[in-house]
Amino acid sequence: LAKTTQPISMDSYEGQEVNITCSHNNIATNDYITWYQQFPSQGPRFIIQGYKTKVTNEVASLFIPADRKSSTLSLPRVSLSDTAVYYCLVGDAGGSARQLTFGSGTQLTVLP
Amino acid sequence: DADVTQTPRNRITKTGKRIMLECSQTKGHDRMYWYRQDPGLGLQLIYYSFDVKDINKGEISDGYSVSRQAQAKFSLSLESAIPNQTALYFCATSAAGEAETQYFGPGTRLLVL
Repeated sequence: LAKTTQPISMDSYEGQEVNITCSHNNIATNDYITWYQQFPSQGPRFIIQGYKTKVTNEVASLFIPADRKSSTLSLPRVSLSDTAVYYCLVGDAGGSARQLTFGSGTQLTVLP
Repeated sequence: DADVTQTPRNRITKTGKRIMLECSQTKGHDRMYWYRQDPGLGLQLIYYSFDVKDINKGEISDGYSVSRQAQAKFSLSLESAIPNQTALYFCATSAAGEAETQYFGPGTRLLVL
């Protein structure tokens, strides 16, 4: 079970790019890296998933170095509505849910 | 996600009462999950089900039970509620082989007095 480590909190200003890094030193060969976003009193929402190199969608980019021991979620030009908790998860696409662990996440606060 | 619904959205109950939280999904997913979230903390997995005949305990199953009545329905019961079960409860679904990509319901806020 790959444990993840993220910063507890980050502050940013509107319009800036935000990068949140997650460490997962004991990631397994079959593990994917997935990021979720959670607003207060709502369920987490899937943002992006990747295995290696770079993945980009309409919401974010995910950068994964060759050793896969860390990953960085990049949010371009954040707005106030991006204030949320962001979770990094590492797990096996075909495996048991027990291999998924939501840590405490990173509280991102976007300031005006 | 409107495809995953939970009832009730809020519930206040007393210590010792039995309560049931219900979850329904229209995504056609085989896998369903129940999580608990305490204030300021991440989600903890209570139970999960990979299909109607498959039920598995998660990290914190003590004091809880579940029923998978159909592919689309997964209920969580607290047999005898206690105050430290006060929390936000989420149901989630995923497609087979895609456990990392889960779709969450809006949550049920439970207060046990």
